[in-house]
Amino acid sequence: DQQVKQNSPSLSVQEGRISILNCDYTNSMFDYFLWYKKYPAEGPTFLISISSIKDKNEDGRFTVFLNKSAKHLSLHIVPSQPGDSAVYFCAASVNAGGTSYGKLTFGQGTILTVHP
Amino acid sequence: DAGVTQSPTHLIKTRGQHVTLRCSPISGHKSVSWYQQVLGQGPQFIFQYYEKEERGRGNFPDRFSARQFPNYSSELNVNALLLGDSALYLCASSRQFSSYNSPLHFGNGTRLTVT
Repeated sequence: DQQVKQNSPSLSVQEGRISILNCDYTNSMFDYFLWYKKYPAEGPTFLISISSIKDKNEDGRFTVFLNKSAKHLSLHIVPSQPGDSAVYFCAASVNAGGTSYGKLTFGQGTILTVHP
Repeated sequence: DAGVTQSPTHLIKTRGQHVTLRCSPISGHKSVSWYQQVLGQGPQFIFQYYEKEERGRGNFPDRFSARQFPNYSSELNVNALLLGDSALYLCASSRQFSSYNSPLHFGNGTRLTVT
């Protein structure tokens, strides 16, 4: 049962343009969402997160949007740079209700390629 | 500060053998989690240890076990290896028990190949 889904295996974008990566989830108990970036031969690196009490969080070129009613989140990268080329994973966790622990449920990942 | 370090980086084992993977968390981090990443998939949660106690276990068979030592380093053990255990094993550390506002920091992983 895939509770977090990234339906686009890959995305190709021109340098300077916007990259939009999408993620859907099914578990309504998820209340904290994260995006990670992964280069080959390296572990995932934390990018940005958002709590379910917000609908937007911004950090420099990266903005994450959360639509709870649609159970959908997206990561916007503006402007995209060739160094952003990597695999992007969205992840979610359940923290409310006194059962919080560090388990993250990941999507399958989207390969982003930014062309110069 | 050093990041999360894992050893070995690569490992080749035969079916039926046993393997031990090691992880040193970032200094000051008391939580260590283990994830398995199969090619083409996202990381899957195996275990979380916090203050040397198991705090969470994913949907993995009993062949998988782990422990955390007094210095917060951790070992993941897998017995009776199967071909399907071939994967990248990632260790992650964080300051807190909860992931809320305490993102996981991952090591570069151990690539296990079972032949």
